[in-house]
Amino acid sequence: AQKVTQAQTEISVVEKEDVTLDCVYETRDTTYYLFWYKQPPSGELVFLIRRNSFDEQNEISGRYSWNFQKSTSSFNFTITASQVVDSAVYFCALSGGSNYKLTFGKGTLLTVNP
Amino acid sequence: NAGVTQTPKFRVLKTGQSMTLLCAQDMNHEYMYWYRQDPGMGLRLIHYSVGEGTTAKGEVPDGYNVSRLKKQNFLLGLESAAPSQTSVYFCASTRQGIWEVQHFGDGTRLSIL
Repeated sequence: AQKVTQAQTEISVVEKEDVTLDCVYETRDTTYYLFWYKQPPSGELVFLIRRNSFDEQNEISGRYSWNFQKSTSSFNFTITASQVVDSAVYFCALSGGSNYKLTFGKGTLLTVNP
Repeated sequence: NAGVTQTPKFRVLKTGQSMTLLCAQDMNHEYMYWYRQDPGMGLRLIHYSVGEGTTAKGEVPDGYNVSRLKKQNFLLGLESAAPSQTSVYFCASTRQGIWEVQHFGDGTRLSIL
């Protein structure tokens, strides 16, 4: 069975602080994909990144970076110099093998205060 | 360039009423999904479809039915609405598989009194 754990339910930071959102996953598949989605207060789901299980390279996109470590089954997301517009719920998700299911974590509510 | 469109955006029902949520995509995607989002629960898969004329149960299918008569449309039905079905419903689609980036609709907020 697949499982995604986002242990941080809520995080509150002050603008310009760096913040890391944790994601730990469980799967028996050797081939799987990990995703991060952002849900701003307006409610839509915005895709941020996809990573497959064979690519452990970290990725940086502007102020966003992702650290994928298979050894610890983690796919953590860091926002550098956070901004108020980063306030949102962030979901980590996992899909794998022949399973048609995309398993979401319960999400982390990030609030960036001015 | 609509992507995935959900109808309606909001609805209030009384317990026992029935209704159908419509999801339409214009990207010629094979796979379509219905999720529900509840506070503190993330998104949970209700039903999905891997092509026209096929549907399958997801994680929380009880109380819902679906149909995929046309490739571009995926309908979610509530035959007898219950307060426990109060939720935000999201439809999504992918071209060929669950490993792809999901294209989500904007959601339907459903309240059942």
